[in-house]
Amino acid sequence: ETGVTQSPTHLIKTRGQQVTLRCSSQSGHNTVSWYQQALGQGPQFIFQYYREEENGRGNFPPRFSGLQFPNYSSELNVNALELDDSALYLCASSLTRGQTDEQYFGPGTRLTVT
Amino acid sequence: GIQVEQSPPDLILQEGANSTLRCNFSDSVNNLQWFHQNPWGQLINLFYIPSGTKQNGRLSATTVATERYSLLYISSSQTTDSGVYFCAVVIIPDSWGKLQFGAGTQVVVTP
Repeated sequence: ETGVTQSPTHLIKTRGQQVTLRCSSQSGHNTVSWYQQALGQGPQFIFQYYREEENGRGNFPPRFSGLQFPNYSSELNVNALELDDSALYLCASSLTRGQTDEQYFGPGTRLTVT
Repeated sequence: GIQVEQSPPDLILQEGANSTLRCNFSDSVNNLQWFHQNPWGQLINLFYIPSGTKQNGRLSATTVATERYSLLYISSSQTTDSGVYFCAVVIIPDSWGKLQFGAGTQVVVTP
């Protein structure tokens, strides 16, 4: 158990819809990173939030957006869903935003877009 | 961009066997983590090992940062060791903790 929780566990949406995924970080951690894992591949970095601000972003379009709240929990929002957005979405929390901080992952949200 | 290559891509072991998984990376790193992904998708932290050697029970890992590789050793494998093993790194030029993953090694341990 990492202490990182995500909701919901599974989600089915239709192409064009919008979705919000949620993540609660481990106690004492102020940084949350989001990753997308397509079937059969390694996770890909989407973005990182540190103290309520986006700290870095991977190669994902602007329809992927996020928020971090004062308690350091975070949301990932995806607008105008496409079939290729079907994936496992993982969040990771770390003590701070440093490169050397170990990241701990939640159980993931499995999104299916039909 | 950085390349993180894991080998072998697949590994089938009989229970009790030993194995070595390898991770090569193309840039200098200051964070390297090994994970085990279980069938439900949960990534479990095995080691945080940017350099040196660590052991945890039947698992051990070694990272030689100057030669840009890391090894994960599984000894006396058990069926519960089955799953995908990922190596992930943060490269030194990145200004934040962006983990870059390899494609993973799928391990199947048979009784």
